[in-house]
Amino acid sequence: GAVVSQHPSRVICKSGTSVKIECRSLDFQATTMFWYRQFPKQSLMLMATSNEGSKATYEQGVEKDKFLINHASLTLSTLTVTSAHPEDSSFYICSAVSITSGPQETQYFGPGTRLLVL
Amino acid sequence: SQQGEEDPQALSIQEGENATMNCSYKTSINNLQWYRQNSGRGLVHLILIRSNEREKHSGRLRVTLDTSKKSSSLLITASRAADTASYFCATPRAGNTGKLIFGQGTTLQVKP
Repeated sequence: GAVVSQHPSRVICKSGTSVKIECRSLDFQATTMFWYRQFPKQSLMLMATSNEGSKATYEQGVEKDKFLINHASLTLSTLTVTSAHPEDSSFYICSAVSITSGPQETQYFGPGTRLLVL
Repeated sequence: SQQGEEDPQALSIQEGENATMNCSYKTSINNLQWYRQNSGRGLVHLILIRSNEREKHSGRLRVTLDTSKKSSSLLITASRAADTASYFCATPRAGNTGKLIFGQGTTLQVKP
């Protein structure tokens, strides 16, 4: 149980294009999903919190117009990197908290999406 | 600021040996979690220990929590090559938001 998927697993795009990454909770409902970014050999940095039915909240320094988040249902959140540039190349990971859990309970992580912007 | 600090940053051991990783944090917490990340993959939740617990076991994993020292340790006993991965501790950010603050991680290599 508690499986989270991400699609695509890796994507290569040209500079200036937009890329959409999907995060799905497969066997549970999640009111809250989190989006992280991870550079090589570094830890995870929280980018934003995605709440079903409301606007996402972004961490300081993360541009909301650059990283568009949509939490369309209790099982799906999407992250769109708009007008991607090479510096956006990174590993993007989502996580989800079960609707039946408290907010400080276990987060279930997706397998990550590796984005390379040429 | 990053809350969790882990040491060592890298650890290399032989199969069968035990591996110990440490995590320190700065603020009061009600739980601390450990995750494993295989290279290029997502995170796998290993164990959650609550602030009123001092020790917790799960298979070959043993986690301790010392709230007076604001530190936790993860012990992997009888390590296997498949344990090779990065290990992160994570603590909840204040405010009951569900947000986690991750440590810098310990990269463990278990040599066969």
